[in-house]
Amino acid sequence: AQKVTQAQTEISVVEKEDVTLDCVYETRDTTYYLFWYKQPPSGELVFLIRRNSFDEQNEISGRYSWNFQKSTSSFNFTITASQVVDSAVYFCALSDPFQGGSEKLVFGKGTKLTVNP
Amino acid sequence: ETGVTQTPRHLVMGMTNKKSLKCEQHLGHNAMYWYKQSAKKPLELMFVYNFKEQTENNSVPSRFSPECPNSSHLFLHLHTLQPEDSALYLCASSQEGQMNTEAFFGQGTRLTVV
Repeated sequence: AQKVTQAQTEISVVEKEDVTLDCVYETRDTTYYLFWYKQPPSGELVFLIRRNSFDEQNEISGRYSWNFQKSTSSFNFTITASQVVDSAVYFCALSDPFQGGSEKLVFGKGTKLTVNP
Repeated sequence: ETGVTQTPRHLVMGMTNKKSLKCEQHLGHNAMYWYKQSAKKPLELMFVYNFKEQTENNSVPSRFSPECPNSSHLFLHLHTLQPEDSALYLCASSQEGQMNTEAFFGQGTRLTVV
């Protein structure tokens, strides 16, 4: 069965610190997608990134960067120079796109990030 | 206007009430989903509709009844709920059949069962 583990329940940092959110996944599939979503206090999940299992190249988008390590089944997310607006719950998710054609996301429990001024 | 809109945002209902949650997407997607987010638990997939047909019912109790009249609208009908059903219910949509898509989520309905 697919499983996503986010071991960090809550993280608190001071503004401008770098912070890394960990994500470890389990799947027997060779083709899969990994995602990160941000859930601000307003409730909706905001898509941040999608990575397919064949692309291990790390990605950087502004202050955000992602480190995909297939050998350790990890997909960690780093925020550089954190800001108060980054405070949210962050979810890592795993999707198998081939079962019935529906994109079913298996989520981790989330990591609540608080960035203090 | 946001891509996925859920109403109401907040709902308080008694255990004998009947209510419905509504979700509408303006993205032209053909797959819609209901997720349940309870405190300290991972988001749980409840139902999937693909091209208006239900393709997944993730062992959800019958007191939750989904309805998808067209590819833009999704409802979740609620009746005789229990206090443990209190949670944030999130609707999402995506474009099936395309590998490079992600799910778009609404802001959720915060449900409290008293």
